[in-house]
Amino acid sequence: DSGVTQTPKHLITATGQRVTLRCSPRSGDLSVYWYQQSLDQGLQFLIHYYNGEERAKGNILERFSAQQFPDLHSELNLSSLELGDSALYFCASSQTSGGHHTGELFFGEGSRLTVL
Amino acid sequence: AQTVTQSQPEMSVQEAETVTLSCTYDTSENNYYLFWYKQPPSRQMILVIRQEAYKQQNATENRFSVNFQKAAKSFSLKISDSQLGDTAMYFCAFMKPNDYKLSFGAGTTVTVRA
Repeated sequence: DSGVTQTPKHLITATGQRVTLRCSPRSGDLSVYWYQQSLDQGLQFLIHYYNGEERAKGNILERFSAQQFPDLHSELNLSSLELGDSALYFCASSQTSGGHHTGELFFGEGSRLTVL
Repeated sequence: AQTVTQSQPEMSVQEAETVTLSCTYDTSENNYYLFWYKQPPSRQMILVIRQEAYKQQNATENRFSVNFQKAAKSFSLKISDSQLGDTAMYFCAFMKPNDYKLSFGAGTTVTVRA
């Protein structure tokens, strides 16, 4: 158990809909990352939040947005869903203390999104 | 942008034998982190081993060890005494310090046969 909790584990929805994926990082971790794993694109970095602030963006579509709340949990919002958005979405957290990063990310079990 | 290449889509190994997974990467950075992550059928990403580029000594974690060749930009993973529980997809990943973005390879599926 990595200590990172993601909900829901599975989600099936229709094209055009909107969903929210939730992530609770490990206790004490200030950084939260979102990754997308799909068959055609592999594992891709989406976005990084540190202590409530966006730190870096990767290949995240404009239809997607994220935020990190004061209690450090994060949500990834996916809207106007398309068939190609079907993927496994991972949240990860890391220990960042005093700006020092060990380089190790702790991943949740992922949220499997299926768009029909 | 950093690219990570895993040239072996699938590998099969007999239980108790040794298997080596290859990984190469492309970067102009001098300092960085390299990782091997394991993704079993349960799909959770589990860190197997981590290497810091400025350390010449190869990292080892129990039955898992790496061969880090910085000049060749190569980072292979050796699994010794393979166990059935090692069956998983293995991803090589690269990270620049202060960047915190992992760049993953395409993965190698390892099947351990009884």
